[in-house]
Amino acid sequence: GAGVSQSPSNKVTEKGKDVELRCDPISGHTALYWYRQSLGQGLEFLIYFQGNSAPDKSGLPSDRFSAERTGGSVSTLTIQRTQQEDSAVYLCASSLEPGLAGGVSGELFFGEGSRLTVL
Amino acid sequence: QKEVEQDPGPLSVPEGAIVSLNCTYSNSAFQYFMWYRQYSRKGPELLMYTYSSGNKEDGRFTAQVDKSSKYISLFIRDSQPSDSATYLCATSGNSGYALNFGKGTSLLVTP
Repeated sequence: GAGVSQSPSNKVTEKGKDVELRCDPISGHTALYWYRQSLGQGLEFLIYFQGNSAPDKSGLPSDRFSAERTGGSVSTLTIQRTQQEDSAVYLCASSLEPGLAGGVSGELFFGEGSRLTVL
Repeated sequence: QKEVEQDPGPLSVPEGAIVSLNCTYSNSAFQYFMWYRQYSRKGPELLMYTYSSGNKEDGRFTAQVDKSSKYISLFIRDSQPSDSATYLCATSGNSGYALNFGKGTSLLVTP
């Protein structure tokens, strides 16, 4: 596929359960981002991966959230002991290069998101 | 105060109208300004970006940045029903890669 692929597209879980969300970025894109979009809120930055560098986890809201990126490609966002306030659309994006220096090379390409509902 | 403020709307206009969408931002150090368009149940897609102040035009769309007032605008001329979507403004952040997004303005263009 040409675009960013995310799975599952929808996930309903019970409070207290763990969930894993998967992102398959565009081939060749070195930068990968996770954002969260809650109802009535803008996109909230969660975590950023660039190549083999240590990820920027500064946006993760609590230690229940973690993410990894294996082999510089696929990424998994894990939420442990889910709470109702975790209900949101989790969006993954990738870019050919990080940042915007030099023009649109830093353009983010978003997947369609994983819609998480915690009951 | 959020880094980027945007009126969520909704905004409803008739086909052919000129649409004006606006955001304000708080940090004068921000240099890159973007508009993303998000259709229902889809991910955002980059519509336009500008660097520093000034205007940028692409077809029916014009992006405008006024750094003196920290104001970002997107104008849509001859609006079409296919323009119905949520429009998100964004700025580059301090990191250079994590973007600061507004809440998005929901636009409906009626035939």
